[in-house]
Amino acid sequence: DTGVSQNPRHKITKRGQNVTFRCDPISEHNRLYWYRQTLGQGPEFLTYFQNEAQLEKSRLLSDRFSAERPKGSFSTLEIQRTEQGDSAMYLCASSFRQDEQFFGPGTRLTVL
Amino acid sequence: AQSVTQPDIHITVSEGASLELRCNYSYGATPYLFWYVQSPGQGLQLLLKYFSGDTLVQGIKGFEAEFKRSQSSFNLRKPSVHWSDAAEYFCAVGHTGGFKTIFGAGTRLFVKA
Repeated sequence: DTGVSQNPRHKITKRGQNVTFRCDPISEHNRLYWYRQTLGQGPEFLTYFQNEAQLEKSRLLSDRFSAERPKGSFSTLEIQRTEQGDSAMYLCASSFRQDEQFFGPGTRLTVL
Repeated sequence: AQSVTQPDIHITVSEGASLELRCNYSYGATPYLFWYVQSPGQGLQLLLKYFSGDTLVQGIKGFEAEFKRSQSSFNLRKPSVHWSDAAEYFCAVGHTGGFKTIFGAGTRLFVKA
């Protein structure tokens, strides 16, 4: 399968713990995006990478959030000191230049 | 600022009936426009896109959408709905030459037998 993959698919954690999600984009795609989706809403843009450079971060991305894309391949999204308000689906997408974005299945985070 | 409005939170149609999902956008230039579908437990799947050219766009699964600049709309249509079309549908606008895609809140489609 050459689609976008995300791991884990589900994560349950206690408030205050750190979590890390991984996204593997389609191999030839140089752009990678993270979105957050809460119940009843569309995805909200979080951040964007072109190759290994993080070029844009949304105001939604507080200091507790950090994303990396070493070597321009896979990406990780870390949330430190999780809060209940962080509970959401975290979606990763990739694209080649400015073509349409291909989305992964998402990681559902539940913070207790 | 860019924005996307999907006025209908949910819509119910009978199987075999026609469907139209509404989408209005706000954008200062010619936008890239998309419709995505999301089924439970599945990722977002692109149905169709409009970048330029013919304003009537054909997509997968028998869907089409029409870009109307004067109305700032990009409504999604299907002539005959199948039960498998029940899902959440998202309209989105992108920035030409940019990267950020803004999504609407979605319209959930229910199909009744």
